[in-house]
Amino acid sequence: NAGVTQTPKFQVLKTGQSMTLQCAQDMNHNSMYWYRQDPGMGLRLIYYSASEGTTDKGEVPNGYNVSRLNKREFSLRLESAAPSQTSVYFCASRLGQVIYEQYFGPGTRLTVT
Amino acid sequence: AQTVTQSQPEMSVQEAETVTLSCTYDTSESDYYLFWYKQPPSRQMILVIRQEAYKQQNATENRFSVNFQKAAKSFSLKISDSQLGDAAMYFCAYRTSYNQGGKLIFGQGTELSVKP
Repeated sequence: NAGVTQTPKFQVLKTGQSMTLQCAQDMNHNSMYWYRQDPGMGLRLIYYSASEGTTDKGEVPNGYNVSRLNKREFSLRLESAAPSQTSVYFCASRLGQVIYEQYFGPGTRLTVT
Repeated sequence: AQTVTQSQPEMSVQEAETVTLSCTYDTSESDYYLFWYKQPPSRQMILVIRQEAYKQQNATENRFSVNFQKAAKSFSLKISDSQLGDAAMYFCAYRTSYNQGGKLIFGQGTELSVKP
């Protein structure tokens, strides 16, 4: 039982390049989330998927797209990376309505030069 | 919209002593959940403790306890008998209702150092 896994762990991009961050969970959770963490700030929600087949914008969605590929996987895509997207990205999942806790992946450190 | 504020960017405590981290929040919801997460240098987000807003009793998990003041919208974390392994960034978080996606809204964090 690996919990929430994220790939890659580190990535360096040049401005304008694209990439996809992958997230998978093996806990049969319904809801999945993408957050970013910048220095001096808490985590901010980018997008979330309350259940398979649905996605919604969070607090800072501009410049990102997501895909809930199936119940296990939730990917985050940067179509044209910008230096402002340099951050640590966390994926999280939660079982459902009653279960409160979100389980977090180890994070991806992304640098855009 | 809900907001979470942690007014102490840094705190320091002597090993074996007690420290309290502050958190205030703003919401118009009556039913919600509050959490404290710990983030050590490994970056992993670790749930420390949670509080259901409908419960009057303050949550406790071993050396960690909260002081939940619903009317004041305050949710502080007390760490007793501090240990070196408690050194980390601590985040207070508010969970929105299910029909708003059950999203977490985080405070800015408090970096806790523990002196031997």
